Amino acid sequence: SSVLTQPPSVSVAPGDTARITCGGNYIGNKIVHWYQHKPGQAPLLVIYHDTDRPSGIPERFSASNSGNTATLTISRVEAGDEADYYCQVWDTSSVPPYVFGSGTRVTVL
Amino acid sequence: EVQLVETGGGLIKPGESLILSCAASGFVASDNYVSWVRQAPGKGLEWVSVLYPPGNTYYADSVKGRFTISRDNSKNTIHLQMTNLRPEDTALYYCAGETGVVSSGAFDLWGQGTMVTVSS
Repeated sequence: SSVLTQPPSVSVAPGDTARITCGGNYIGNKIVHWYQHKPGQAPLLVIYHDTDRPSGIPERFSASNSGNTATLTISRVEAGDEADYYCQVWDTSSVPPYVFGSGTRVTVL
Repeated sequence: EVQLVETGGGLIKPGESLILSCAASGFVASDNYVSWVRQAPGKGLEWVSVLYPPGNTYYADSVKGRFTISRDNSKNTIHLQMTNLRPEDTALYYCAGETGVVSSGAFDLWGQGTMVTVSS
């Protein structure tokens, strides 16, 4: 099964850009989704199908996926962006078909 | 309102069994992919199991042979039967659905979770 590696933490000042990586073998050949998870709340899908934003997600959230790394970028970071972020892939040729990354805590300084 | 509501969590001893339920509203469970995802205290998200509309199921290696996912179409509810529970199964269990609005394989509908604590 896939192993998706994320940095444990990223710190960023308000207004700056946060980049969260998700490493995995040939992840560029897979479809990646990203979730924001705040304490006491259910996870929230912020990026699907590598680069698309669900309705209601600000344009400040963007993503890319190529080679062995997928990246979530949060531009003009706000205090409300402080949360854990997880990448996730769905690969119907793998068992299990769903895998989450290890998660990254984003701290807004 | 489209929502998933989990129930059934609690404190249980190692080796015992428990059934979690996920009641769907505004969302037809039998027409969509529904998974269980858990988060152990201080840990990340872990996918547990999925039930596809035709009825095929998949499990994480950590629960295979002990957990069973099923569906009650008459009640629009997904169940997770957990047997031979272990302390490492202690977690907040979320029901997560794929509504089909976004890409397949993406969980765009989540419940608030139900806590399972396995301890003697």
